[in-house]
Amino acid sequence: DAMVIQNPRYQVTQFGKPVTLSCSQTLNHNVMYWYQQKSSQAPKLLFHYYDKDFNNEADTPDNFQSRRPNTSFCFLDIRSPGLGDAAMYLCATSAPGQAILNTEAFFGQGTRLTVV
Amino acid sequence: SQQGEEDPQALSIQEGENATMNCSYKTSINNLQWYRQNSGRGLVHLILIRSNEREKHSGRLRVTLDTSKKSSSLLITASRAADTASYFCATEGGSQGNLIFGKGTKLSVKP
Repeated sequence: DAMVIQNPRYQVTQFGKPVTLSCSQTLNHNVMYWYQQKSSQAPKLLFHYYDKDFNNEADTPDNFQSRRPNTSFCFLDIRSPGLGDAAMYLCATSAPGQAILNTEAFFGQGTRLTVV
Repeated sequence: SQQGEEDPQALSIQEGENATMNCSYKTSINNLQWYRQNSGRGLVHLILIRSNEREKHSGRLRVTLDTSKKSSSLLITASRAADTASYFCATEGGSQGNLIFGKGTKLSVKP
């Protein structure tokens, strides 16, 4: 059973046109992450939520925003996609219950974003 | 920002051989984790070692952690062609569990 689901798997968007990627989880985890991964590179953390607390990485561009309306869903909004934003975007969750630390992360299959 | 470096960047071995990958990091950590990624897919958790542990085993995997040197190694014994993938270390630090990945090692196991 899929536990972290990302939709869509592939997204094509036009240069400058806002796009939203979605992630849902059935694990009831406290923490949700968004990563950007470019070809042959490591996943780069954009931001993460602990419950409703939003933690933005210092070098995440303002062009990237996130929303977490409830425990199960998290969205990545790219306000004005540029060609350099083409990448795989990975959502992950961790921390069941009160165990904040020392728990593994579960990843979705990713959304591959193409900007044309 | 990424936490550290992994070496080698790429490793090619024959089936049955052992594969060793190393990871270094920069800041204090709660734990270090290793993940595997098949091409174009999400990451799969392999093993987690806490900052107060020195060695951990899981099946054919052996992980060591040296906090004084801020380094870790992943050993895959008796490798199989199906082990071909990219392997990433990730460190968890802070109080709210941010998980930062290293650059990864691309492992190719030839049958």
